[in-house]
Amino acid sequence: EPEVTQTPSHQVTQMGQEVILRCVPISNHLYFYWYRQILGQKVEFLVSFYNNEISEKSEIFDDQFSVERPDGSNFTLKIRSTKLEDSAMYFCASSDDVGQGVGGYTFGSGTRLTVV
Amino acid sequence: GESVGLHLPTLSVQEGDNSIINCAYSNSASDYFIWYKQESGKGPQFIIDIRSNMDKRQGQRVTVLLNKTVKHLSLQIAATQPGDSAVYFCAESPGQGGKLIFGQGTELSVKP
Repeated sequence: EPEVTQTPSHQVTQMGQEVILRCVPISNHLYFYWYRQILGQKVEFLVSFYNNEISEKSEIFDDQFSVERPDGSNFTLKIRSTKLEDSAMYFCASSDDVGQGVGGYTFGSGTRLTVV
Repeated sequence: GESVGLHLPTLSVQEGDNSIINCAYSNSASDYFIWYKQESGKGPQFIIDIRSNMDKRQGQRVTVLLNKTVKHLSLQIAATQPGDSAVYFCAESPGQGGKLIFGQGTELSVKP
């Protein structure tokens, strides 16, 4: 079954540093997303991306965040100047044009970001 | 505002029993709902989904019920097994190709 892959699995960074989280969505999917999950809390939507532009973003996704699809396979989330409260699990997801059913909306295994 | 919430944060059941996990949602515009299972250190894993034009959908050992009148969603797991132990999230989708709004999660613990 096709997978969404994320790297690295764990990233430790110092406060104020820039981080880039990487994702390879499922190849025939058209919509790409980033979510985050603070330890013990629910999964929260950050941003959706379609046709090479942001289609929707949440209040969490402020000017410190950016996304990019630099080539035909990768989808990245950049945090310019990390804060302690950015520590969380970050999930990439992708969906096809229907976005439903098994494999229609798929999550990666996540990158655990720890800001120290 | 938009919110999806769960009635019970933890649920402990005996192996072989049936489990019921509940969820309330508040966005009347949502037309698609998904239940996800999340094991420790992993991403949400699709279990079963249901569209708003349905009341019930069955999968292998799992059933999702949707009550649009009271905006309630439930996940029933038959003959619960130790491998079912995980956190279960409901999620709603206000539209195609868009974001998912997740509930708080219920931790299911299955005792052998």
